[in-house]
Amino acid sequence: QKEVEQDPGPLSVPEGAIVSLNCTYSNSAFQYFMWYRQYSRKGPELLMYTYSSGNKEDGRFTAQVDKSSKYISLFIRDSQPSDSATYLCAMSGGTYKYIFGTGTRLKVLA
Amino acid sequence: GAGVSQSPSNKVTEKGKDVELRCDPISGHTALYWYRQSLGQGLEFLIYFQGNSAPDKSGLPSDRFSAERTGGSVSTLTIQRTQQEDSAVYLCASSLVGPYNEQFFGPGTRLTVL
Repeated sequence: QKEVEQDPGPLSVPEGAIVSLNCTYSNSAFQYFMWYRQYSRKGPELLMYTYSSGNKEDGRFTAQVDKSSKYISLFIRDSQPSDSATYLCAMSGGTYKYIFGTGTRLKVLA
Repeated sequence: GAGVSQSPSNKVTEKGKDVELRCDPISGHTALYWYRQSLGQGLEFLIYFQGNSAPDKSGLPSDRFSAERTGGSVSTLTIQRTQQEDSAVYLCASSLVGPYNEQFFGPGTRLTVL
C-alpha cells in the first residue's frame, strides 16, 4: 500500500461545476499538506498548503485536512477550462521529503 | 525573477548510452531536489542537496544514477548505461530551508530511452 493514495482520474466536469479532489494517507506523522497543479509539459506549481488540520481558502480554491480520517481535499468552485490540469497532493512530516500522490487529471469542459 | 531551469527539455537516447541532465535552481535557494515522474507513478524522490551537507541519495534507484551539485548552485543528474525503464520526466526543484519549504519546480527533462 502506498503512503499516499490519489485517484488518477481522469475527471471531466462542465464549466462552472464544483470539483472535489481527494487524497488519503497512512502516515500519521504528516503535518504539512500541499496541493500542486501541473499543466501538460510543465513542472508542478504550488496551489495551496495547509499545516495540520482545518480549512484554508484562497479565491476559488479551498483545501481541507482531516487528520483523524487521514484524508485531504481540494475544492475548486466555479471551475474554468483553464483549471484543466493534473492536481497532485503532497505531504511531509516537516522535513524536506515530500511524498506525492500520483495526481488526478482534471478536464473542465467549456 | 528567473525560475528553475532545466536542460535539455527533451532527450532521446539509445539503450546503454549515458545521459546528463542539468538543473539551474533559483538564485539563493540552498536546497535542490531531483524527482522522477513516470506515467501513473507520481513524483518519485531521487536526491536532495542542502548547502555543503552530504546529499541524501536514498531515492536513487540504482548505482547507474548519480548527481552532483557544483558551487552550491547548478546540479547535474547522470544516468549511466540507460535502460528503457529509465524513460520518464526528470524534475528538479529548489527551495529555501526551514520547517516548511515551498519547492519550486523546473519544467522537467523528458527522457526517452529507445
